[in-house]
Amino acid sequence: GAGVSQSPSNKVTEKGKDVELRCDPISGHTALYWYRQSLGQGLEFLIYFQGNSAPDKSGLPSDRFSAERTGGSVSTLTIQRTQQEDSAVYLCASSSTSGEYNEQFFGPGTRLTVL
Amino acid sequence: SQQGEEDPQALSIQEGENATMNCSYKTSINNLQWYRQNSGRGLVHLILIRSNEREKHSGRLRVTLDTSKKSSSLLITASRAADTASYFCATRSLSNFGNEKLTFGTGTRLTIIP
Repeated sequence: GAGVSQSPSNKVTEKGKDVELRCDPISGHTALYWYRQSLGQGLEFLIYFQGNSAPDKSGLPSDRFSAERTGGSVSTLTIQRTQQEDSAVYLCASSSTSGEYNEQFFGPGTRLTVL
Repeated sequence: SQQGEEDPQALSIQEGENATMNCSYKTSINNLQWYRQNSGRGLVHLILIRSNEREKHSGRLRVTLDTSKKSSSLLITASRAADTASYFCATRSLSNFGNEKLTFGTGTRLTIIP
């Protein structure tokens, strides 16, 4: 069984461009999370999916950020009109359930650099 | 904003020594977890301690939890060069939307000197 995969691994873009980051969770995992990690910092929660719905979007920093999940599997995080402060590593995690103990399995992340 | 604060921010020790990292948090929790991150990429789950537990062991790892002080510590015994990484604590709680939420600390960068 493959782990969580993310693509691209690195993305360099110009300020003002839109970017899409992809996450492939572990097969069968219903819960999916997006986090952002700025240089030298901890992880900042962005959004949580249970199946295809996102009951908790409270971490999205602005309306330039959006995410969707289709077929209860792949998720895409979209950042519109990127800004330099969006530069960070974006990490995706999935888990089999959102219960008392649900180990989150993390992908390798996408390093986004906005010039 | 990050709830957890790890202490120290960075730690360098000789191989074979023990490494202790601390984490403080602010709100009530269901459990606390420690993760390891190599080279600023994906995190690996190390150990979980429930709010009604005080100490837990896993191999060379020992975790303590003091809910009265809202703090936890991670001890790595007999450190190895391969233990060089960043270590994060994460507290689990329920969000206002009813889903569980992990809140990560800022991390401790551990360097093991061969």
